Amino acid sequence: DIQLTQSPSFLSASVGDRVTITCRASQGIRSDLVWYQQKPGKAPKLLIYAASTLQSGVPSRFSGSGSGTEFTLTISSLQPEDFATYYCQQLNTYPLSFGGGAKVEI
Amino acid sequence: QVQLHESGPGLVKPSGTLSLTCAVSGVFINNNNWWSWVRQPPGKGLEWIGEIHHIGSANYNPSLKSRVTMSVDKSKNQFSLDLYSVTAADTAVYYCARRPFYSDPFDYWGQGTLVTVSS
Repeated sequence: DIQLTQSPSFLSASVGDRVTITCRASQGIRSDLVWYQQKPGKAPKLLIYAASTLQSGVPSRFSGSGSGTEFTLTISSLQPEDFATYYCQQLNTYPLSFGGGAKVEI
Repeated sequence: QVQLHESGPGLVKPSGTLSLTCAVSGVFINNNNWWSWVRQPPGKGLEWIGEIHHIGSANYNPSLKSRVTMSVDKSKNQFSLDLYSVTAADTAVYYCARRPFYSDPFDYWGQGTLVTVSS
């Protein structure tokens, strides 16, 4: 199984900050990586797929990069509505797997 | 617009069977999509349970494969999850979700339903 390790697990930030979250895969997954945002009590929301493609309707302050085993999600200027938990997911190999999550809080 | 809605008992006894249904609207379930179940224990991360295609092909997480069955009901435009021999460790919010095609991410999710395993 492919393990995804996210870092940091918790991140304290302020509005306007640039935030970067890393996701490392235990083996190469090409660009088959997705990022979701989840707020308390809500289902995850698709942000980025294919490592760097922004889902329709997602603000351009979100961006993704990477391939192979190392990936990053960047929020260029953190907004109040961005405080949430972010998960990466790999779609390269079954079983599909998620990272442990990165909680962005004030 | 595609919408998914989970339903089922919120409380299941240990050693019993957890059965959930996901009603799909806005798209036909036989539209060549993959239909998944994902769960999230309280305060923890996401776990993919498995997925099914309307033709009956399914992929399950090996960690749960021996206890899971998924099915599709085209007449009702819904799909289902059965998880057998449950324990407290199966207590979680269960989500259903859609992948348009084999290599796509989950683009639509249900709102989630909490299932508690307790006597």
